[in-house]
Amino acid sequence: GQQVMQIPQYQHVQEGEDFTTYCNSSTTLSNIQWYKQRPGGHPVFLIQLVKSGEVKKQKRLTFQFGEAKKNSSLHITATQTTDVGTYFCASGGSYIPTFGRGTSLIVHP
Amino acid sequence: GAVVSQHPSRVICKSGTSVKIECRSLDFQATTMFWYRQFPKQSLMLMATSNEGSKATYEQGVEKDKFLINHASLTLSTLTVTSAHPEDSSFYICSARPDSGLNTEAFFGQGTRLTVV
Repeated sequence: GQQVMQIPQYQHVQEGEDFTTYCNSSTTLSNIQWYKQRPGGHPVFLIQLVKSGEVKKQKRLTFQFGEAKKNSSLHITATQTTDVGTYFCASGGSYIPTFGRGTSLIVHP
Repeated sequence: GAVVSQHPSRVICKSGTSVKIECRSLDFQATTMFWYRQFPKQSLMLMATSNEGSKATYEQGVEKDKFLINHASLTLSTLTVTSAHPEDSSFYICSARPDSGLNTEAFFGQGTRLTVV
C-alpha cells in the first residue's frame, strides 16, 4: 500500500497557538483523508483531498494537498482545548489504504 | 460522495460470545474491502483484505479462525469476532474500494468500538 509518514508524533501547544501536522509519502497519492480521534473516542472523518494543490477549510482547520500529491498538511489556527486529540491522515489510493501513525495534540490552557 | 456504513458503532459483549460487525458500501459496489484494528494510543493496523466471492487475505499475526470475514455480496463484508475475550476489546474500522470508474480510492466506515466484559 501507499505508506504515509506522519509527523510529529506529539505536539504540545498553549491555547491560542497554531498547530500543524504533516503527512508525507514517497509515492504519489490518489487521495488523502484526515481523521480526528478524541481521547477515549473513535476516529471521526474530517475531510478528503483529491486534487493536486487542493486547499480546504473547515472553520479554524486548513487542509492542504501538495502539488505533487505526495504530502498533505492539517493546520489549526488559534487552538482551543476542544482541539485536543489525535489527528490521523490516511491514504485510500493504490491498493491498500493505510493510516499514518497519528499526531497527538495536547493543548494547555 | 461515496458512503461506507459500519454497524454497530458500539457493542459490549460477554467473554466467550461472538460479535458480528457489518460494513456496507451504500452507493457503490466493492469487490475489495479492508478491516483494521486500533490498539490503545496506536494507529490503525490492517487486519485483513476482504474479497467478494473468495477467501479473505489476513495479515501476519491475525488469527483466521478468530476473526471470520465473509464478503458475500459486492456491498457487504462482515467481520465476526469469535469467542471474544477482553483482549479483543478494540476499535475496528472497515474501508471499501469502489469497483467502477477511474477513481479507485477507498472510503472508510465510521468504526465499531468493541468492549468484551
